[in-house]
Amino acid sequence: GAVVSQHPSWVICKSGTSVKIECRSLDFQATTMFWYRQFPKQSLMLMATSNEGSKATYEQGVEKDKFLINHASLTLSTLTVTSAHPEDSSFYICSARAQGAGADTQYFGPGTRLTVL
Amino acid sequence: QKEVEQNSGPLSVPEGAIASLNCTYSDRVSQSFFWYRQYSGKSPELIMSIYSNGDKEDGRFTAQLNKASQYVSLLIRDSQPSDSATYLCAVNKQTDSWGKLQFGAGTQVVVTP
Repeated sequence: GAVVSQHPSWVICKSGTSVKIECRSLDFQATTMFWYRQFPKQSLMLMATSNEGSKATYEQGVEKDKFLINHASLTLSTLTVTSAHPEDSSFYICSARAQGAGADTQYFGPGTRLTVL
Repeated sequence: QKEVEQNSGPLSVPEGAIASLNCTYSDRVSQSFFWYRQYSGKSPELIMSIYSNGDKEDGRFTAQLNKASQYVSLLIRDSQPSDSATYLCAVNKQTDSWGKLQFGAGTQVVVTP
């Protein structure tokens, strides 16, 4: 149980284009999902908290107009990197918070490796 | 002071030995504590959660929590080369209603055959 998927697993795009990443909780409902970014040999960095049916909450320093988040249902959240630039190249990981007992538990998706040329 | 602190390592452990990982946290009212394992190039995977003081065992893993000392640890018994990874300690942010977790920077464990 508690499986989270991400799609695509990797993507290469040209500078200036937009990329959409999907995060799905496959066997549980997640009212809250989180988006992280991780650069090589660095810690996880929380970008935003995504809540079903409401606007995402962004961490300080994260541009909400650049990283668009939509949490359309209890099992799907999407992150769109708009007008991507090489400095946006990173490992993007989502997590989903399970409802019920141990509700603070976050289960991570496999991640999406974005390379912007 | 960082909210969650871990020794970065690397922690070198002979195969078959016990690996001991430590984590301290600053928010005294935190209630939920987690250990995640992250292999290089992969996303974190949950190993254990612990909510009450004392020990919690799951297979070769034992988590220990001491809220008075604001300390949580992870023991890996009979360490295997496949345990070589970075171990992340995570603590809930009690003031956050969405269930945000505060992660430590991680401890790299290297199990040598």
